[in-house]
Amino acid sequence: QQQVKQSPQSLIVQKGGISIINCAYENTAFDYFPWYQQFPGKGPALLIAIRPDVSEKKEGRFTISFNKSAKQFSLHIMDSQPGDSATYFCAADMRFGAGTRLTVKP
Amino acid sequence: GAVVSQHPSWVICKSGTSVKIECRSLDFQATTMFWYRQFPKQSLMLMATSNEGSKATYEQGVEKDKFLINHASLTLSTLTVTSAHPEDSSFYICSARDDRDLGTQYFGPGTRLLVL
Repeated sequence: QQQVKQSPQSLIVQKGGISIINCAYENTAFDYFPWYQQFPGKGPALLIAIRPDVSEKKEGRFTISFNKSAKQFSLHIMDSQPGDSATYFCAADMRFGAGTRLTVKP
Repeated sequence: GAVVSQHPSWVICKSGTSVKIECRSLDFQATTMFWYRQFPKQSLMLMATSNEGSKATYEQGVEKDKFLINHASLTLSTLTVTSAHPEDSSFYICSARDDRDLGTQYFGPGTRLLVL
């Protein structure tokens, strides 16, 4: 069922640094690519999403880069903060990647 | 923003009993809702797609007779875990697709099920 591949599995970044998480998908029929943030014991919360007709979308410190021909997309978190420490999931439509556990060190 | 609620948030039951979980979209209508299961430190696995007024579509490997889904209104979907066993213990999360913006899914807070 894992139609979306996500990397890395875990990521440690210093405060103020840039966190980058990558995803790749297989099915070209997917047309909605969201990123979610999840804290332990909570449901995922939508961070930012993009559609395939756009190559980049920025909202505050979060940017999605989308490469339709390569079937890849990535999340960039600028000026990473300790409060960003969480698990991040990419998704293609309703299919989730495996998740990335981000730790931002103070 | 759009809000999705789940009830209960926590449930403990004995093996062999059935448990019903409710998923409600509070301020929008959702013709389509989704049910996921998440084991500790793992991703969300899609179990089924629930469509108002019609039968749910189950993912491969998900037993439809064990996980009964009813989507009787545009704001409510229910998941019933029938004859629950310890291996059904998990975090169950629903999401609802806003009919006004068919791409966006809003997630509920999840229901933690523990079967003894």
